[in-house]
Amino acid sequence: QKEVEQDPGPLSVPEGAIVSLNCTYSNSAFQYFMWYRQYSRKGPELLMYTYSSGNKEDGRFTAQVDKSSKYISLFIRDSQPSDSATYLCAMSQWAGNKLTFGGGTRVLVKP
Amino acid sequence: EADIYQTPRYLVIGTGKKITLECSQTMGHDKMYWYQQDPGMELHLIHYSYGVNSTEKGDLSSESTVSRIRTEHFPLTLESARPSHTSQYLCASSPQNYQTNYGYTFGSGTRLTVV
Repeated sequence: QKEVEQDPGPLSVPEGAIVSLNCTYSNSAFQYFMWYRQYSRKGPELLMYTYSSGNKEDGRFTAQVDKSSKYISLFIRDSQPSDSATYLCAMSQWAGNKLTFGGGTRVLVKP
Repeated sequence: EADIYQTPRYLVIGTGKKITLECSQTMGHDKMYWYQQDPGMELHLIHYSYGVNSTEKGDLSSESTVSRIRTEHFPLTLESARPSHTSQYLCASSPQNYQTNYGYTFGSGTRLTVV
């Protein structure tokens, strides 16, 4: 079993809908949680970063961490066709530690 | 502007050739990483470095080698390319930070095709 599980999708939604993405993990020691967005044939770019449990909001993006359930989520409000990409979750145990990535979820936002 | 650069962006090369994929960063990051990613597939760590003269193999076995002679430069070399090496190679870097973890900065990748 992988340390970080992520549904590969694709997740197809109409423009303007809320996109809901999630990852589950098995290592309860993870403390740092990130979401990356990767467009086709490009490198991943950091979208959201959270430490420990709780919510974080940045514009149309909201990241949630539930450490008790070992479950993290990313919500994209008012989705746009430009949000079509693969979204990867990543996490680590300690500051300066290597990241463990999920396999990524492909999202398609249809106009 | 601080960034991480990979060259070439695309490379088509014949079997048996020696190739070097370049990765440079201007952010002064101590840590650098090489990932291999097939289309639509997950990232696989193949090499990493925590500083000059420090290199380690990653989770995925790779026939490639790396070197870290300068902080800003982390090239990857394949001595004899094979079609099985066809993939996208992504370079990333992160600062040495004992207080928190801000994740990695990735380059745009090199798409390698071995024919």
